[in-house]
Amino acid sequence: QQQVKQSPQSLIVQKGGISIINCAYENTAFDYFPWYQQFPGKGPALLIAIRPDVSEKKEGRFTISFNKSAKQFSLHIMDSQPGDSATYFCAASSNDYKLSFGAGTTVTVRA
Amino acid sequence: KAGVTQTPRYLIKTRGQQVTLSCSPISGHRSVSWYQQTPGQGLQFLFEYFSETQRNKGNFPGRFSGRQFSNSRSEMNVSTLELGDSALYLCASSLEHVGADTQYFGPGTRLTVL
Repeated sequence: QQQVKQSPQSLIVQKGGISIINCAYENTAFDYFPWYQQFPGKGPALLIAIRPDVSEKKEGRFTISFNKSAKQFSLHIMDSQPGDSATYFCAASSNDYKLSFGAGTTVTVRA
Repeated sequence: KAGVTQTPRYLIKTRGQQVTLSCSPISGHRSVSWYQQTPGQGLQFLFEYFSETQRNKGNFPGRFSGRQFSNSRSEMNVSTLELGDSALYLCASSLEHVGADTQYFGPGTRLTVL
């Protein structure tokens, strides 16, 4: 049973466009929400993370929006570049020493 | 600083065999976690170790086991391999635990069971 639901499964965006990936959760004990980026043949790498006491966090072209009441959070990739083509995973943790991952979104940025 | 290293990178085994995968965390990191990644099930948590103690275990059969040594290096073992065990096995390390600090993943060990 997936504790974190992620959508869409894949998306295609033009260079310079905005990519938006959404995640939803049910476990209100979750208190840490990271996003990971994974390239083929590599392990996931932390992109950006947020905690529930913050509604938005921005790092460069990547922004997390967090809606605690709706139990949803999303990743926005602004000015998407071909180098951003990868699989993105949202995840959540409740201080139980593990991450529960979403199913992943494959992003393809067309030049 | 060297990243998380995993050996071997690729393995081919046959059903019924057993396999041991190794992980060396980033220097100074005491928490090591293992995840299984498959196209169908995505990333699934296997177990987490800190100072040689297992603090959490995922929903996997007892054929999957692990341990951590005093130098924080970790191994996981899968006995009586099944076709469905074919996956990318990822190791990740952090200073104390995920949520408290950044968790860094290794490149994974690709296990193929024939």
